[in-house]
Amino acid sequence: GAGVSQSPRYKVAKRGRDVALRCDSISGHVTLYWYRQTLGQGSEVLTYSQSDAQRDKSGRPSGRFSAERPERSVSTLKIQRTEQGDSAVYLCASSLDGAGGTEAFFGQGTRLTVV
Amino acid sequence: GDSVTQMEGPVTLSEEACLTINCTYTATGYPSLFWYVQYPGEGLQLLLKATKADDKGSNKGFEATYRKETTSFHLEKGSVQVSDSAVYFCALRTSGSRLTFGEGTQLTVNP
Repeated sequence: GAGVSQSPRYKVAKRGRDVALRCDSISGHVTLYWYRQTLGQGSEVLTYSQSDAQRDKSGRPSGRFSAERPERSVSTLKIQRTEQGDSAVYLCASSLDGAGGTEAFFGQGTRLTVV
Repeated sequence: GDSVTQMEGPVTLSEEACLTINCTYTATGYPSLFWYVQYPGEGLQLLLKATKADDKGSNKGFEATYRKETTSFHLEKGSVQVSDSAVYFCALRTSGSRLTFGEGTQLTVNP
């Protein structure tokens, strides 16, 4: 496939459980982002990495969100001890490099519902 | 830090009406500016971009001009169509940093 793909598309998790969301980015892309998109709050960046180095971590609270990049074009977002406020659409995006004008390509997102 | 402020939505227009979605930003350095669009059930996709002051990005009848003096990048279209109904996100990025988004503006175009 030529684009960014995410799996699963939908995930329901019980509060307190850990979840893992997968992103297959475009081969050759160096920069990878995870965003959380909630209604009325826009898109909040969770993690941002270039190659396999974690460049930035943010999110609320930061300790529960982490991203691993076992292969250059694969990333897994892990959310520990999920809370109801974690219900959102999680978007993965990648870009060829870290230059300012480079387009980022997005996956379709994973909709997480915490019950 | 970098931030993007977008016009609050939702915006509802009739077909063939004019559209303007305001976007202003604050950034250190010289950012590139983007508009992304998310159609129902799909992921975000790039609509247009501008990488330096006074550049105009355009695509599918949409335009936005990078205004450094007013730190703005307003999205405009002269005649909207029902198929333009989507959520529009203004974003910026400086080299070596992450993409920063605005909150998104929901646009609904009625026939």
